[in-house]
Amino acid sequence: QVQLRQSGPGLVKPSQTLSLTCAISGDSVSSISAAWNWIRQSPSRGLEWLGRTYYRSKWYNEYALSVRSRITINPDTSRNQFSLQLNSVTPEDTAAYYCARTVGHFDYWGQGTRVTVSS
Amino acid sequence: QSVLTQPPSASGTPGQRVTISCSGGTSNIGKNAVTWHQHLPGTAPKLLIYNNNERPSGVPDRFSGSRSGTSASLAISGLQSEDEADYYCAAWDASLNGWLFGGGTKVTVL
Repeated sequence: QVQLRQSGPGLVKPSQTLSLTCAISGDSVSSISAAWNWIRQSPSRGLEWLGRTYYRSKWYNEYALSVRSRITINPDTSRNQFSLQLNSVTPEDTAAYYCARTVGHFDYWGQGTRVTVSS
Repeated sequence: QSVLTQPPSASGTPGQRVTISCSGGTSNIGKNAVTWHQHLPGTAPKLLIYNNNERPSGVPDRFSGSRSGTSASLAISGLQSEDEADYYCAAWDASLNGWLFGGGTKVTVL
């Protein structure tokens, strides 16, 4: 059974960096058949895919156009986890953030982290 | 704003059948498989349907999916009170090179 456990702060100040981590159990971040994603949900945007990291002989990252200039997703093989960094946040980045695995489709999700951007 | 279009709401009485549509385009639903997810507030989304019409183990057969051209649909038959939730469709978009979600449909059991 795959489990994804998220951690990170629930409050970030405007212009600062949002940082979240997703710890994986039951699979490997280096799996050659999975990808590891970050998604967020807000009342105004619904569910929005932010990006993913995956390993296929080498590491790949793909990001949504809407956040491409501000986002970094990094795998951490030593801890079997992956992280999200979103720079220069504004109140528009207030949302529930989820990590999730895809194996051709989303199958396992983290529990979610509610992040508020406010001073 | 979502490229996949869903009706914002749907409703039915217990035992009825409810259908939710998801309309996309040739670069997403027309080319790639559709998945459906159930989302209850404060919880992680749950996979209901993958590959257009397949159910993971543990998902009741009251839930069924279909795809035709650039549209897909989710049907809930024998509606139950615990089905009250938000439902989202999703598909990979080959032009955007990213995942797209529908705007979500809130199902209410009357």
